[in-house]
Amino acid sequence: EAGVAQSPRYKIIEKRQSVAFWCNPISGHATLYWYQQILGQGPKLLIQFQNNGVVDDSQLPKDRFSAERLKGVDSTLKIQPAKLEDSAVYLCASSRGMGGSGKNIQYFGAGTRLSVL
Amino acid sequence: DAKTTQPNSMESNEEEPVHLPCNHSTISGTDYIHWYRQLPSQGPEYVIHGLTSNVNNRMASLAIAEDRKSSTLILHRATLRDAAVYYCTFSGSARQLTFGSGTQLTVLP
Repeated sequence: EAGVAQSPRYKIIEKRQSVAFWCNPISGHATLYWYQQILGQGPKLLIQFQNNGVVDDSQLPKDRFSAERLKGVDSTLKIQPAKLEDSAVYLCASSRGMGGSGKNIQYFGAGTRLSVL
Repeated sequence: DAKTTQPNSMESNEEEPVHLPCNHSTISGTDYIHWYRQLPSQGPEYVIHGLTSNVNNRMASLAIAEDRKSSTLILHRATLRDAAVYYCTFSGSARQLTFGSGTQLTVLP
C-alpha cells in the first residue's frame, strides 16, 4: 500500500511569511497526526484528527498555526506568520484508528523541512 | 505526562546483538509500549509494540519487565542499516504517543 505522502519536502521562507504543508494519509486511515520535530528532539504532537474532527490540538500554537482535514482525508497545516523558532521538520502520520487504543500503529511521512530565515 | 527515559547514545558492532533499554515508570496497566526508529532524513518507522508479554517480529524482539516499568528492544544481529534514533514511547493519560529524545544507535563495521 502507498505510504503517507507529504509535500513539499523542503521550504525556505523569511520570518513573518506564511507557509502551508500538505499531507495525504494512507487510504482508509481514520486518524491523522501532525508533529513538529526540532533538530535533536523527538517529534512533538501538534494536532490529532479523527476523520475530519479535531481530537487534540492542545499543543498547537493557535495564534499562528492552523490545520484542517476536509472530508476526512487530506490535511493541510499552515503557519502564519512564521517565526524563527518554527524552523523544524513537520511530520504527518496516520493510523487506522485512535492512537490511544494502544494497538494502532502510526505510519509517518518523510516530513517537510522548514527553514525560517 | 507519558515520560520515558533512554540513554542518549549507544554503539554496537555489526552482526552483534543490541539491547536498547527504556524506563517508563509512570506507565499504567492498560498502556501499550511502542518502539519506533528514525533513520536520517526520514520519518519515524514502527518497530514493535507490546503490553505484558515479550514480543517478537521480523525486525526485533521486545522484552518487558514484570512490573512493566522498563522494557528492552533487542536487535538480534545489528546491521549498518539499523543505525538510527530509537524511540520508546507509550500512550499515557493523554491517549497519544509521546516521544522523548530517543537513543542514537551507531553500528560499527
